[in-house]
Amino acid sequence: AIQMTQSPSSLSASLGDRVNITCRASQGIRNDLSWYQQRPGKAPKLLIYDASSLQRGVPSRFSGSGSGTDFTLTISSLQPEDFATYYCLEGYSTPRTFGQGTKVEIK
Amino acid sequence: EVQLVESGGGLVQPGGSLRLSCEASGFTFNMYAMSWVRQAPGKGLEWVSVISGSSDSAYVGDSVKGRFTVSRDNSKKTVYLQMNSLRVEDTAVYYCAKTKYQLMLDAFDVWGQGTMVTVSS
Repeated sequence: AIQMTQSPSSLSASLGDRVNITCRASQGIRNDLSWYQQRPGKAPKLLIYDASSLQRGVPSRFSGSGSGTDFTLTISSLQPEDFATYYCLEGYSTPRTFGQGTKVEIK
Repeated sequence: EVQLVESGGGLVQPGGSLRLSCEASGFTFNMYAMSWVRQAPGKGLEWVSVISGSSDSAYVGDSVKGRFTVSRDNSKKTVYLQMNSLRVEDTAVYYCAKTKYQLMLDAFDVWGQGTMVTVSS
């Protein structure tokens, strides 16, 4: 199985900050990666698919980049509703693997 | 409106069985692969299984292989997860999820609200 190493596991940031979250795959996965946001007690929500495509209805302050083994989710200007946990998910092979998650907290 | 509604969760003793269901609406169900994802209390997301739209392909994760089986009934727009020989470590919220396109490895664009499974004596 492919291993997905997500970092950091948590971060504290202020409103308006730029935030970067990274995922590294244990082998090349082309651009087969998606990003999800999960608020407490809620189901995950798709933000980015195919590494850099913005899901319909997701604010443009979210963006994704990368290919091969290294990927980044960027929030350009943190808003109150963005405080949540974020996960990456590889879509290259089964069994599929999520990153461990990054909890974004208010500084 | 595209919607997924899970049911069937509950409290079960170790070694017991449960069948989860996920009923879909608002899209052409038989065209999309469906997956199950679980989340243990306070933990991250874990992929559990996937089944193709036509049921010709299905996979489960290593931690549940030989115990869990995924199936679907396209006439009822429902996907199932049969869970046998349940262990304490299977305790989690179980989500079903729809793939964005039709491939089994696509991103998950629609999620259910989740159903809680508790394995305890």
